[in-house]
Amino acid sequence: EVQLAESGGGLIQAGGSLRLSCEGSGFTFSNSWMHWVRQAPGKGLVWISVTNNDGTVTAYADSVKGRFTVARDNAKNTLYLEMNSLRADDTSVYYCVRDRGSNSASFDVWGPGTLVIVSS
Amino acid sequence: HSALTQPASVSGSPGQSITISCTGTSSHIATYNLVSWYQQHPGKAPKLMIFEVNKRPSGVSDRFSGSKSGNTASLTISGLQADDEADYYCCTYAGSRTYVFANGTKVTVL
Repeated sequence: EVQLAESGGGLIQAGGSLRLSCEGSGFTFSNSWMHWVRQAPGKGLVWISVTNNDGTVTAYADSVKGRFTVARDNAKNTLYLEMNSLRADDTSVYYCVRDRGSNSASFDVWGPGTLVIVSS
Repeated sequence: HSALTQPASVSGSPGQSITISCTGTSSHIATYNLVSWYQQHPGKAPKLMIFEVNKRPSGVSDRFSGSKSGNTASLTISGLQADDEADYYCCTYAGSRTYVFANGTKVTVL
């Protein structure tokens, strides 16, 4: 079964740092572009980052550019999101998402999400 | 910056058809055939329902269909069922390897 499983969320003070992880299974992780999408409580989905299959290409939403870094370790089938200078408005459920192609804007596999709460 | 707008809510009775629109402030929908739609039930992760404007992933009911005209994409749900009650989001490629989701539409089955 194709699955994604995020971990690393929790309660953190504003200005702090946190690293999220996402382990993929049931598919060839090293062939897949991967994204992070977040959702604040009661709000809509927000795309925040993408990396290509080997991690050499990345992109970010303006709201996190310069503060968040996406990376991957294909040997461990794991995607990471390093989050620095966290703010209260970063409080969200963070989803790890697989792109069904490359740069296709089609997100076909989603993890259950991990909740990050930034206290001010 | 690109933004996408959906109606906040759409409702219909069982068996009816409803259509959710997704309009972009820039030309990304018109330029790229990279529009996707997601269904999200409360407390659950989103599910891909439509990709590349009008294609359905395996396992998604053919009651769901997508289209676009100019800078507006649409999702139509025909034969509305109780389980279709959920939030729906469109998404498009916004250039430079970035993407944007719309604000979402709450579908209510009366």
